[in-house]
Amino acid sequence: KQEVTQIPAALSVPEGENLVLNCSFTDSAIYNLQWFRQDPGKGLTSLLLIQSSQREQTSGRLNASLDKSSGRSTLYIAASQPGDSATYLCAVGKVIFGPGTSLSVIP
Amino acid sequence: EPEVTQTPSHQVTQMGQEVILRCVPISNHLYFYWYRQILGQKVEFLVSFYNNEISEKSEIFDDQFSVERPDGSNFTLKIRSTKLEDSAMYFCASSSTRSGGDTQYFGPGTRLTVL
Repeated sequence: KQEVTQIPAALSVPEGENLVLNCSFTDSAIYNLQWFRQDPGKGLTSLLLIQSSQREQTSGRLNASLDKSSGRSTLYIAASQPGDSATYLCAVGKVIFGPGTSLSVIP
Repeated sequence: EPEVTQTPSHQVTQMGQEVILRCVPISNHLYFYWYRQILGQKVEFLVSFYNNEISEKSEIFDDQFSVERPDGSNFTLKIRSTKLEDSAMYFCASSSTRSGGDTQYFGPGTRLTVL
């Protein structure tokens, strides 16, 4: 059974800092991996989708990598801004979600 | 930009009552999904729907739940005889291809409160 974990559970950084969020999964036989953002009380916004054949995807200040063999993905956020404060979720394959990392960017 | 919409945004119901949560997926999408998120917990997959039938469902999606696409635009989740533990945010999502190949677009959710 696929298990998805995310580390850290919460992260607080000063504005401008670069940061990395981690996602681990137990079954490497995945179709893809998605990173989502969830604002409090709101729905999920897809940030990046990495297909199983890809190693990374980039969108603006965001870069996501995928290493299927080790069961890991990272989401790199460059030059963090207060507006980046949210919970970041990774989801694999048939959309099994991790528990999320709650990010707070302090002005 | 096209988006998934859900109504109502908040539904309060008494235990034992039936509720119907409504979703309008993105118009050219073919795959539809329901998820739930109990407060403070993970987002959990409930069911996927394609070509007017359920393509996959989780253990959570038992006989209490049903889905329907009554017309060309709406996708509904019916919960019969609601229980206190059904209180959660329910998210609808849609994609142009199955979850293995394409981004899922999520609606804003319906907060269901069962009293």
